[in-house]
Amino acid sequence: KQEVTQIPAALSVPEGENLVLNCSFTDSAIYNLQWFRQDPGKGLTSLLLIQSSQREQTSGRLNASLDKSSGRSTLYIAASQPGDSATYLCAVGNNFNKFYFGSGTKLNVKP
Amino acid sequence: GAGVSQSPSNKVTEKGKDVELRCDPISGHTALYWYRQSLGQGLEFLIYFQGNSAPDKSGLPSDRFSAERTGGSVSTLTIQRTQQEDSAVYLCASSSGLASIEQFFGPGTRLTVL
Repeated sequence: KQEVTQIPAALSVPEGENLVLNCSFTDSAIYNLQWFRQDPGKGLTSLLLIQSSQREQTSGRLNASLDKSSGRSTLYIAASQPGDSATYLCAVGNNFNKFYFGSGTKLNVKP
Repeated sequence: GAGVSQSPSNKVTEKGKDVELRCDPISGHTALYWYRQSLGQGLEFLIYFQGNSAPDKSGLPSDRFSAERTGGSVSTLTIQRTQQEDSAVYLCASSSGLASIEQFFGPGTRLTVL
């Protein structure tokens, strides 16, 4: 069974800092990987989707990379802002349309 | 609608009662997922529907849990004889159905079993 781990579980940084969130998975036979943001009491908002054939995806200040062979993905957030404070989840999808989620990284960006 | 909707947003029930949670996926999305998120935990897969295929029920925690999807659109998750450990946020997501394409989530239903 696919196991997805996110490190760190929580992160607190001052505003303006660049930061990296990590996601690792045990089975490299993935179809895609998706990063989400979850605000307290809310559902999940999709940030970036990387297909297995891709190495990275970028959207604004966000950049997600994927290294299938090593079972890792990183989410890079540039010039962090207090509005970036949320829990960030990664989900790994297989070719049977099943997704496995990590437990998330709770980010706090201090003004 | 423009996004995935779920109802009710909050549900408080007594132990032993049955509850029904509803999910309206994005129009035209053939894939629909139910997840459960307990306090401070990640998402736990419950069930997946794809078109007219038999659903993947491998994540349902017990036979008290069931789900159906009528007409390939709206889905209902039913929990019978609720227990306190069923208290969680139940999230629904839909996708276009092509293999592992992007999921879009609803706001969730917060279930509290007293």
